[in-house]
Amino acid sequence: QVQLQQSGPGLVKPSQSLSLTCAISGDSVSSKSAAWNWIRQSPSRGLEWLGRTYYRSKWYNDYAESVKSRITINSDTSKNQFSLQLNSVTPEDTAVYYCARGWAYSSWGQGTLVTVSS
Amino acid sequence: EIVLTQSPGTLSLSPGERATLSCRASQSVTNNNLAWYQQKPGQAPRLLIYGPSSRATGIPNRFSGSGSGTHFSLTISRLEPEDFAVYYCQQYATSHTFGQGTRLEIK
Repeated sequence: QVQLQQSGPGLVKPSQSLSLTCAISGDSVSSKSAAWNWIRQSPSRGLEWLGRTYYRSKWYNDYAESVKSRITINSDTSKNQFSLQLNSVTPEDTAVYYCARGWAYSSWGQGTLVTVSS
Repeated sequence: EIVLTQSPGTLSLSPGERATLSCRASQSVTNNNLAWYQQKPGQAPRLLIYGPSSRATGIPNRFSGSGSGTHFSLTISRLEPEDFAVYYCQQYATSHTFGQGTRLEIK
């Protein structure tokens, strides 16, 4: 059974960067059949896919157009985890952030409420 | 971007009744790559159906998915008390997008 454990700060100041990590157990971040996603949920925007990373003999990243200029998703094979960095945040980026496995998301992290406020 | 529109916004039914939820796409969903999720308060969404009629691991057979192209449905054949929640459809054919959700409430 795949389990995802999220970590990272719950409060970020405007214009700074949001950073979250998702540790994987029960699977490998470099699995050739999986994809590793970041999704957020807010009352105003609903559920919003942000991007993914996956390994198919080399690493690939895909990002949503809405955040493409501000987002980076990286993988760390030594720690079997992947991470989200979202730059230049505003209060509009306040949301519950989730990591999830798959194309249809079969496993989810517990969620992290990130508030953007000074 | 494929826009998913779910209907109804809220569905009020009693335990034991049948629920049918709709998800319409703004353009055809390639390979019918559509999934359904259930979300309860304070929890992450849970995958119910993918592809668009395969049940995820551990999902009871009262949940079923159907449809193709631009019109998809989730049916719960006989509602149990634990089924009252918010349901989302999601397409994973072109980028990934979600519908706005259908709230299933007890009548």
